[in-house]
Amino acid sequence: SQQGEEDPQALSIQEGENATMNCSYKTSINNLQWYRQNSGRGLVHLILIRSNEREKHSGRLRVTLDTSKKSSSLLITASRAADTASYFCATRIGTYKYIFGTGTRLKVLA
Amino acid sequence: EPEVTQTPSHQVTQMGQEVILRCVPISNHLYFYWYRQILGQKVEFLVSFYNNEISEKSEIFDDQFSVERPDGSNFTLKIRSTKLEDSAMYFCASSDSLAKNIQYFGAGTRLSVL
Repeated sequence: SQQGEEDPQALSIQEGENATMNCSYKTSINNLQWYRQNSGRGLVHLILIRSNEREKHSGRLRVTLDTSKKSSSLLITASRAADTASYFCATRIGTYKYIFGTGTRLKVLA
Repeated sequence: EPEVTQTPSHQVTQMGQEVILRCVPISNHLYFYWYRQILGQKVEFLVSFYNNEISEKSEIFDDQFSVERPDGSNFTLKIRSTKLEDSAMYFCASSDSLAKNIQYFGAGTRLSVL
């Protein structure tokens, strides 16, 4: 499997519900990041969690990291229609190379 | 707020032609990147650039690809002889610090090779 695989590939929820997406990776990491991509647009950095952190919050975002399982999850609470986007995890390999995951397409229905 | 700008937004070319995709990174940033995203697929790392030289490149970034920072503000990706499979969105990104690990992305250039 690839470095950075998200599941589910697609998720459809109602506005106000929570959305959880997961990322698994293969190699050791110093940190893991989550990005959002609106349709046809560039990626926007959401949150970074370091390898010595287990959980991090930013507004309605909650990220967890389990280095023993090489996995991370992104929780978006009280989702809004504007959260509709693709979400990618990213890890840095070496000094200058970043690997993005396969992405989760989130659709929030109003 | 400063942003990364990419031009053109859409480039159509014939197979075998050369294309140059242009990016203007955020002005005080030092690290520059190109990524590719084939429609509906993952974002793939192509190359990173620092201190006027390539820092790292992927297996995708073969001899057909080159990057340049010609004038201290622009950052270009050249594909010498385009192939049909080069059709994709190409994203430029920049960052000011490896420690922060935050990359700022442009809106992308959609390359269509006919």
